[in-house]
Amino acid sequence: AQSVSQHNHHVILSEAASLELGCNYSYGGTVNLFWYVQYPGQHLQLLLKYFSGDPLVKGIKGFEAEFIKSKFSFNLRKPSVQWSDTAEYFCAVTAEYSSASKIIFGSGTRLSIRP
Amino acid sequence: GAGVSQTPSNKVTEKGKYVELRCDPISGHTALYWYRQSLGQGPEFLIYFQGTGAADDSGLPNDRFFAVRPEGSVSTLKIQRTERGDSAVYLCASSSDRTHNEQFFGPGTRLTVL
Repeated sequence: AQSVSQHNHHVILSEAASLELGCNYSYGGTVNLFWYVQYPGQHLQLLLKYFSGDPLVKGIKGFEAEFIKSKFSFNLRKPSVQWSDTAEYFCAVTAEYSSASKIIFGSGTRLSIRP
Repeated sequence: GAGVSQTPSNKVTEKGKYVELRCDPISGHTALYWYRQSLGQGPEFLIYFQGTGAADDSGLPNDRFFAVRPEGSVSTLKIQRTERGDSAVYLCASSSDRTHNEQFFGPGTRLTVL
């Protein structure tokens, strides 16, 4: 069965610090990978996605993630965080590209930024 | 509308009661998904529709849960004989082939079973 593991439940950083959130997935086939963000009081939004091609993908608000197939990882990074990045971050995977498919989410990482 | 909408935003009910949760997907989106998010957890897949038919209902926890999408647009998630463990935020999402099946999420319905 597919699964997604997020290693950090709660991360606390100061503004301008660099961020890396870990994500590993378990699935033997071709995958599509996502990071979703949920800001306080708002609904889930897509931050970035990987379907194929360049394993380094760039998303909104300066976030990027790198797909490392050999490590089954898709870590999220940002070189300098802002207070407005305070949110819950979810790594997710789907097993198919060509048809609609359910998303398997990780348990989430809560990011708190100290101003 | 511009995004996925869900009603009601909050629902409080008593154990044993029946509830219906509604989802209006983005116009033209053929696929519609239901997820459940418990406190401190990521969303958990329940069911998805391609058009009017349920393409995958493997995530429904038991036969108290049922969902319909009779005209291929609006969907209703129905929960019979609610239990306290059903308390969660129920999320709906929709997607389209034109956007490579990226799922757009609604704000959710927070269900509390007393």
